[in-house]
Order: sequence, then C-alpha cells, then structure tokens
Amino acid sequence: GAGVSQSPSNKVTEKGKDVELRCDPISGHTALYWYRQSLGQGLEFLIYFQGNSAPDKSGLPSDRFSAERTGGSVSTLTIQRTQQEDSAVYLCASSLAQGRSSGYTFGSGTRLTVV
Amino acid sequence: GQNIDQPTEMTATEGAIVQINCTYQTSGFNGLFWYQQHAGEAPTFLSYNVLDGLEEKGRFSSFLSRSKGYSYLLLKELQMKDSASYLCAVTTGGGNKLTFGTGTQLKVEL
Repeated sequence: GAGVSQSPSNKVTEKGKDVELRCDPISGHTALYWYRQSLGQGLEFLIYFQGNSAPDKSGLPSDRFSAERTGGSVSTLTIQRTQQEDSAVYLCASSLAQGRSSGYTFGSGTRLTVV
Repeated sequence: GQNIDQPTEMTATEGAIVQINCTYQTSGFNGLFWYQQHAGEAPTFLSYNVLDGLEEKGRFSSFLSRSKGYSYLLLKELQMKDSASYLCAVTTGGGNKLTFGTGTQLKVEL
C-alpha cells in the first residue's frame, strides 16, 4: 500500500483481556518495527523483523508481549492479560532493508487504553 | 547502553530561527535521524546524518559532530505549523533499529 496501515486506530480493553494489534507495512519493505509511546515519553523499541531472520525481541517488556510477521508482510502484536501500564500508543514502522538514509515510515498508531 | 539527551521544551517566534540540540552517548554509532511529530500523529522523517557536517533541506538543516556526540536541527523562517515534537534518534552497530530521545516540544508563537 501507499503507507503503513495500523488497525484498530483506538482500542479500549478491560484489564486482564488479550488484545491484538495489526500492522500492514509498505509493500516491498522488508524491515518492520514496533514501538510504543506513552504520554509524554519517547518512543520505546519493542521488536524488529528483518526479512526471514529471527526477530530482535530485545525490547519486549514482558512475556505477555509477543509479535509475529506472516509471509514477510503483515505483523500482529499481541498483548496477553493486559495491565493498565500497557496503555500507550503502539506505533508500527517499516523500511527498506538498508533504510538508514531514508528512515522509517510510521503508521498512525493504535491508541490502547486499558481500564 | 545508549543515552540521548534533548531539551524538553522550546519556544520561538514565527519567522525566527531555532536550533534544537541533541547529545548522545552510544557505542558503535552508525547514524543519526531527526523526526517531526505533531500531536496525535505519526512521526515523519526529516533528516539523516552519518558523516560530520551540515545537511540542508529547505528550511530545515541538520548538523552532526561524531567526535562530540552532538547534533542539532536548525529550523529557519519558522511557521506556526512547525509547532511539534522533534525527535532525535540514533542507530548503532550493523542494524537498523532506532533508539529515540524523549523529544523536544517546540512551540511557535506569533
């Protein structure tokens, strides 16, 4: 597609429920990233997929968080047993394999609120 | 680990010039990015520096000194629409993973 698409744009969930967030990257972009941004905070790295390589999961805050990328395209971030501290905007971005000079393209994010 | 520092807030006048500084301490530095983020929107790419010096793009310029671990973003002829958060981010090692600073909230006033 023309840009990075994320869904849903907003999600309100009850504490303890599981949620799935979806990211559809730009066609042809082999690298995909998940970040989260809490109110007034910087972007916190969560996970990075590059082609068929094993993902870099070093930013996932707990084992309640997981992500997969099927067929090298769409990615799903799953948060199990959500907690109130999980409330944040979850941003997905994609880039070409060597995206350094052009940077990432971010989606508009999913605003997650855990009540 | 990596540490990236930026001022939290800045205020400037429409039509003026503003410089937003970023200092970083990293190992294996491989490049520095600046992003702009309007409230409630996704960050958008502004610039990339890997070599020392100034990169100019219209009203925006970005400078890097690798030996000093220092960069700045220069915005000229400020417009009200430039009010946004400006994020400094670095890549290290051989990967593309970006580590972001907490951002500088710029307010442009009349």
